[in-house]
Amino acid sequence: GAVVSQHPSWVICKSGTSVKIECRSLDFQATTMFWYRQFPKQSLMLMATSNEGSKATYEQGVEKDKFLINHASLTLSTLTVTSAHPEDSSFYICSARDFGTTGLGQYFGPGTRLTVT
Amino acid sequence: AQTVTQSQPEMSVQEAETVTLSCTYDTSESDYYLFWYKQPPSRQMILVIRQEAYKQQNATENRFSVNFQKAAKSFSLKISDSQLGDAAMYFCAYRSRTSGNTGKLIFGQGTTLQVKP
Repeated sequence: GAVVSQHPSWVICKSGTSVKIECRSLDFQATTMFWYRQFPKQSLMLMATSNEGSKATYEQGVEKDKFLINHASLTLSTLTVTSAHPEDSSFYICSARDFGTTGLGQYFGPGTRLTVT
Repeated sequence: AQTVTQSQPEMSVQEAETVTLSCTYDTSESDYYLFWYKQPPSRQMILVIRQEAYKQQNATENRFSVNFQKAAKSFSLKISDSQLGDAAMYFCAYRSRTSGNTGKLIFGQGTTLQVKP
């Protein structure tokens, strides 16, 4: 089956630093990837839609200068949290849409836990 | 804009019994997809079942089935013969099928299911 990986699975960084999270589709091409944020016991909140070779589309209320998204290839999208602060601590999940099949397939990565101290 | 509502924050069921999780949604579109995702403690999102709105027949996947009521905009999930491994947070999700749609998912708030031995 289609697999999406995320790296790192857990990261701790100091306030004011930047951290990059990678999302890779391992066995399919993903022209579209999605980035979500999830707080404990809450739902997934879509942050942005990432399209290969073009600028990401951010959801209302998401700071595009703080959460930089790059989708440079058909198998890789990155989320960079710039100048991280403790309130950015959260669980970040990516998903990738597989257009190679029926187009219905959307596969989720295992998530990245970010802790900002 | 589309919305998805899960009104049951928590549910519990005895092992081997049946439980139904509720989901309602609001949309002005006629063509769309509905999904149920499971998020166990590992936090990996797992697709449980999906339903195309144009299909009148309710989807079934082994012990999981849905009751799709398009006019009422209701999409409930029934889990039969509940197992301890079914304990997780369950999310109902909506995806538009209109052309140009990126395929983003709109999630409900989630229902935490506890399975008692």
